[in-house]
Amino acid sequence: QVQLVESGGGVVQPGGSLRLSCAASGFTFSNYGIHWVRQAPGKGLEWVSFIRYDGNKYYADSVKGRFTISRDTSKNTLYLQMNSLRAEDTAVYYCAKDGDGYNDIDYWGQGTLVTVSS
Amino acid sequence: QSVLTQPPSVSATPGQKVTISCSGSTSNIGNNYVSWYQQLPGTAPKLLIYDNNKRPSGIPDRFSGSKSGTSATLGIIGLQTGDEADYYCGTWDSSLSAGMVFGGGTKLTVL
Repeated sequence: QVQLVESGGGVVQPGGSLRLSCAASGFTFSNYGIHWVRQAPGKGLEWVSFIRYDGNKYYADSVKGRFTISRDTSKNTLYLQMNSLRAEDTAVYYCAKDGDGYNDIDYWGQGTLVTVSS
Repeated sequence: QSVLTQPPSVSATPGQKVTISCSGSTSNIGNNYVSWYQQLPGTAPKLLIYDNNKRPSGIPDRFSGSKSGTSATLGIIGLQTGDEADYYCGTWDSSLSAGMVFGGGTKLTVL
């Protein structure tokens, strides 16, 4: 069965950096795109970034130039390098697998909490 | 401010029907497929509807989706207390800042 397990969250000071990881299993990793979606405490879902099956990358305007998405297909692992962190980046970060349809996400990880605070 | 607009809350009693709307524009809903997600308290979102009106395996046919122009609707019939959750619509936005967009979420209360 599909599993997505995030790690790397924690508390970081404003301006600091953090790298999130997402270990994937149960599907052919290189055949699917993977998203990062975040949810600030008590707020709705916010899409952050997407790496398509062919390696093309997309970013939300709010993180462009600060966050970098990457993947290691030999390790079935997705990464999100987050630099110049701000208080408004505080959220639970989910990695989520692109579905077989158009524009859908069919599996989500359990999320990892990132807190940006001094 | 979310790109897609949903009502903040809806409510109904068990057994009733409820609809949740999702309004967008030609750069997103108008030219792309819509998906819907259910998020129970303290859990990750779960795919309910994809490609406007298709249900993944395991999702009961009490849940349905439709799309017309730049709007989409999620319908739930035979409401159960276990349906109380936050519901989000999502789609791709093909504007200059291409990416996935979500609605602000709708809190469904089953009274």
